[in-house]
Amino acid sequence: QVQLQESGPGLVKPSETLSLTCTVSGASMRSYYWSWIRQSTGKGLEWIGYIYDTGSTRYNPSLKSRVTLSVDTSKNQFSLKLNSVTAADTAVYYCARYNWSDGRFDYWGQGTLVTVSS
Amino acid sequence: DTQMTQSPSSLSASVGDRVTITCQASQDISNFLSWYQQKPGKAPKVLIYDASKLETGVPSRFSGSGSGTDFTLTINNLQPEDFATYYCQQYTDLFSFGPGTKVDIK
Repeated sequence: QVQLQESGPGLVKPSETLSLTCTVSGASMRSYYWSWIRQSTGKGLEWIGYIYDTGSTRYNPSLKSRVTLSVDTSKNQFSLKLNSVTAADTAVYYCARYNWSDGRFDYWGQGTLVTVSS
Repeated sequence: DTQMTQSPSSLSASVGDRVTITCQASQDISNFLSWYQQKPGKAPKVLIYDASKLETGVPSRFSGSGSGTDFTLTINNLQPEDFATYYCQQYTDLFSFGPGTKVDIK
């Protein structure tokens, strides 16, 4: 059974960098796209970006200037860094596996709430 | 970028009802559309992909249809566990989600 688990600080100060890690278990990271998606009251579900096992990335154009994704397949982990955060970045952050052959996010983490506040 | 809209934003229904939710894309997305169900405090769960294909393990009372810009999710014989929020999501132009339709008990 594929499982994903987000980890990282739940509170980040404005202007600082939000950092989260997703640990994948029950499956290899090879040949899949690994995504971050967030959900806030104001903006609903928003795709942040994805990374392939090779390290190739694509980002949401609205966040591209502030986002960096990385992957460590030896640890079965991938990570999100979002810099210069504001209160608008307060959201539940999910990691998810994108199954490109069928076009769906088929496995999700439970989500982690990140609050941006001083 | 492709914008997704859904209607209605919420609806009230009874167990046993047939429920229909519509989703519209701002441009032609062929059949590159998925539907998700989300319950409070939980991650979304995929129900339908490629507009009409049922995800393994999802009850057959769920069905999807449409292509191009207009899509429909239908739930036949609504069950108590179906009260949730439903989202459409396109995957032809990166990814974007609809705003959601909340289905609650009448």
